[in-house]
Amino acid sequence: EAGVTQFPSHSVIEKGQTVTLRCDPISGHDNLYWYRRVMGKEIKFLLHFVKESKQDESGMPNNRFLAERTGGTYSTLKVQPAELEDSGVYFCASSLQQGAGEKLFFGSGTQLSVL
Amino acid sequence: RKEVEQDPGPFNVPEGATVAFNCTYSNSASQSFFWYRQDCRKEPKLLMSVYSSGNEDGRFTAQLNRASQYISLLIRDSKLSDSATYLCVVSSRGGYQKVTFGIGTKLQVIP
Repeated sequence: EAGVTQFPSHSVIEKGQTVTLRCDPISGHDNLYWYRRVMGKEIKFLLHFVKESKQDESGMPNNRFLAERTGGTYSTLKVQPAELEDSGVYFCASSLQQGAGEKLFFGSGTQLSVL
Repeated sequence: RKEVEQDPGPFNVPEGATVAFNCTYSNSASQSFFWYRQDCRKEPKLLMSVYSSGNEDGRFTAQLNRASQYISLLIRDSKLSDSATYLCVVSSRGGYQKVTFGIGTKLQVIP
C-alpha cells in the first residue's frame, strides 16, 4: 500500500516568490493534515481537512497560506508571497478516522528554504 | 509556558541500558496522548498510544499520569536502532483534530 507522498521533497525559492506543495494521502483516508516544523521548534499544526472541507484551519500563520483539497483527494498548500520565516519542513499526514487513538501516517515532508 | 514540554536531550546511553523520557502537558482537557519516533531527516512515525492504565509493547512501556499531567516512555535493553528523536504528542480533543507536539527528545544509543 502506498504511503503519504509529498512533492517536492525540497524547494528553494527567493523571498516574494510563490511555492505550491502537494500531498497525496493514503487512498481512502478522508482526514488530511498539514504541519510545519521551523528549525529548532516543535512541529506545529496548520490545518485539517475532512474530505474536501476544512475542519480546522486555526494553525494557518496568515493569509499568505492557502490550502486546498479539491475533490477530497490530494491537497495543495500554496505560499504566496513567500517570506524568510516560512522556511521549514512541511509535513502532511492522513488518517482513516479522526477518533481517539487513530493512527496518523506522515509523509516524508517538503523542506522549504526561502532565501 | 509551552503546551507540551520535553527535555530535548541528547540522551547518550550504552547499548542494553534502560532509558526513560518524560513529557508534561499544560492543558488539563487533553484527551489523547502518543509517542512518535522520528529518525534523522525522516517523517514522524507512531510508536505507541498512551493510556491511563499504561501500556507496553515489547521493550517499550508508556505511562500516563493525568493528575500530574505527564507522560513517560521507558525503553528497556536499548538497541543501536533505537537512536532517534522521540516526540510526545497530545491532542486536546479526541483523536487528531488538533494535536500539539513536543520538541522531541533525542536518544543516541552508543555501542
